[in-house]
Amino acid sequence: KAGVTQTPRYLIKTRGQQVTLSCSPISGHRSVSWYQQTPGQGLQFLFEYFSETQRNKGNFPGRFSGRQFSNSRSEMNVSTLELGDSALYLCASSPDSYTGELFFGEGSRLTVL
Amino acid sequence: GQQLNQSPQSMFIQEGEDVSMNCTSSSIFNTWLWYKQDPGEGPVLLIALYKAGELTSNGRLTAQFGITRKDSFLNISASIPSDVGIYFCAGQGGANSKLTFGKGITLSVRP
Repeated sequence: KAGVTQTPRYLIKTRGQQVTLSCSPISGHRSVSWYQQTPGQGLQFLFEYFSETQRNKGNFPGRFSGRQFSNSRSEMNVSTLELGDSALYLCASSPDSYTGELFFGEGSRLTVL
Repeated sequence: GQQLNQSPQSMFIQEGEDVSMNCTSSSIFNTWLWYKQDPGEGPVLLIALYKAGELTSNGRLTAQFGITRKDSFLNISASIPSDVGIYFCAGQGGANSKLTFGKGITLSVRP
């Protein structure tokens, strides 16, 4: 069974640009969550999608957005990039979010210059 | 908002030693989970706890869900070099609610 796949793995952007990250969950998993990981702040919850609906949302500005498609694949977008957006963005899937048991991808490492 | 406290930020132990980590919160959680992240990888679930007082083992790992539902601990016995990584605790307040993660403890194991 294939794991969670995130693309791209690495990317470099400049301030003011926008970026889209993609996540393919484990087959059959309907819940996809996104987290931002930075050395000082650990794992910060961005949002969770279940059956194409945003079910939970973290405390990030509106520049961070996401969506989920009918095949459960998800994308997150960050507009007007800031230096502080440099981080590892992790996607996690689960059959549902009832239990809190998540399966993480390897992440997309974003560097903003 | 909800916060989970993990300290210290880093731990250094000798191979073969046992190590304990704890995680505390000012809020009650109904589920406690422990994840481990290896360098360059995403976190992997180690143990999930669903009932206050529950003690669960997974090989050399043992974790407990605190009676107050505001804390949990993880114990690693007879550490080996591959135990190196970042250990995160996470709590979930209720079904389908978001997970809150601690900031993690980086474990180093000296051969």
